[in-house]
Amino acid sequence: EAQVTQNPRYLITVTGKKLTVTCSQNMNHEYMSWYRQDPGLGLRQIYYSMNVEVTDKGDVPEGYKVSRKEKRNFPLILESPSPNQTSLYFCASSSPTPGTPQSAPYEQYFGPGTRLTVT
Amino acid sequence: GQNIDQPTEMTATEGAIVQINCTYQTSGFNGLFWYQQHAGEAPTFLSYNVLDGLEEKGRLSSFLSRSKGYSYLLLKELQMKDSASYLCAIMDSNYQLIWGAGTKLIIKP
Repeated sequence: EAQVTQNPRYLITVTGKKLTVTCSQNMNHEYMSWYRQDPGLGLRQIYYSMNVEVTDKGDVPEGYKVSRKEKRNFPLILESPSPNQTSLYFCASSSPTPGTPQSAPYEQYFGPGTRLTVT
Repeated sequence: GQNIDQPTEMTATEGAIVQINCTYQTSGFNGLFWYQQHAGEAPTFLSYNVLDGLEEKGRLSSFLSRSKGYSYLLLKELQMKDSASYLCAIMDSNYQLIWGAGTKLIIKP
């Protein structure tokens, strides 16, 4: 079954304690992305990757790191979480847009979400 | 700057038609997406427009006017399961996605 998986689904942690949220896709997609979603603000892109070893900042990258060492995995790292990073996080991967570079996003498949609370 | 506007909330009646608008100002344009998101769930893809005009897919249609920076999503024969948030997103000249805040659609019997 084609899917994007994220772990953990729920996480409560304390300020300053490093954490990693994993993301994996089994569709051989080149494009992957991380979003956070907060009430009234919609989806905001944190980082995206158009290929292995290629990552770019989205709208809200401060306080986050990512890596793309292999095509299927795109972990999100919070080195020193703070309460303002409490949010719902989604990972997504995408098939390419017709008529555009192979790695441009098209139909995105989202993971189930990770609800993070930082106290 | 880059900006996408959608109504915050709309209400419609089961069986009716609803039009959800999206206006945008972005640096370049490589397409417009609509996604549906049910409460507590992940977004799912609905449509993609890159050329002007209307794209129809069953009960759903999506329209784009690039010169006006305007799109709408039209849902016909509304069903209770259509109650969800509808997200408009633009792919800019760098292939980065810019998202609107979403429109919450409430369907009443």
